[in-house]
Amino acid sequence: EPEVTQTPSHQVTQMGQEVILRCVPISNHLYFYWYRQILGQKVEFLVSFYNNEISEKSEIFDDQFSVERPDGSNFTLKIRSTKLEDSAMYFCASSWGGETQYFGPGTRLLVL
Amino acid sequence: SQQGEEDPQALSIQEGENATMNCSYKTSINNLQWYRQNSGRGLVHLILIRSNEREKHSGRLRVTLDTSKKSSSLLITASRAADTASYFCAPRSETSGSRLTFGEGTQLTVNP
Repeated sequence: EPEVTQTPSHQVTQMGQEVILRCVPISNHLYFYWYRQILGQKVEFLVSFYNNEISEKSEIFDDQFSVERPDGSNFTLKIRSTKLEDSAMYFCASSWGGETQYFGPGTRLLVL
Repeated sequence: SQQGEEDPQALSIQEGENATMNCSYKTSINNLQWYRQNSGRGLVHLILIRSNEREKHSGRLRVTLDTSKKSSSLLITASRAADTASYFCAPRSETSGSRLTFGEGTQLTVNP
């Protein structure tokens, strides 16, 4: 069964550094998403992407964040200058029609 | 966006027993989805029920929807230790946009 994959599974970075989290959505899906989950807290929506542009973003998704679909298969989340509070699990998800979303296993980001 | 509220917060049962968890929401919906999250992992879509449906089955899962009470329930029959996870509902309305909004969830523990 096709699944969403994410790399790396764990990333440790220094505060102020840039990180890029990578996702390979399910191949025929059209909608792509990033969510995050701070340890012990709820899963929070960050951004959705459709037709090569951001379709919706949350208040968390400020200028430090950007998303890109650089080719036909990858979907990336970039954090320009990481802060301690960016430490979280980041989940990518994809959807064919915008309803059911299929989540990847996540990237655990630790900012020191 | 609309968030569901799951109840109870935590549920502990023995293997083989049935588990019932509930979801309440505030405004009219188009559909409601249930997701499962094993500890620290990505969310897994379980089932989607549309506003014109009252009950839906998938394997050992049974979901009901009562739009007059703005509530849904998820029943897991003949539970297994592998069902131990957090369960979330995600109600979707016309104004939900593309995001899924998750609450605190129900933490189900199935004891062997």
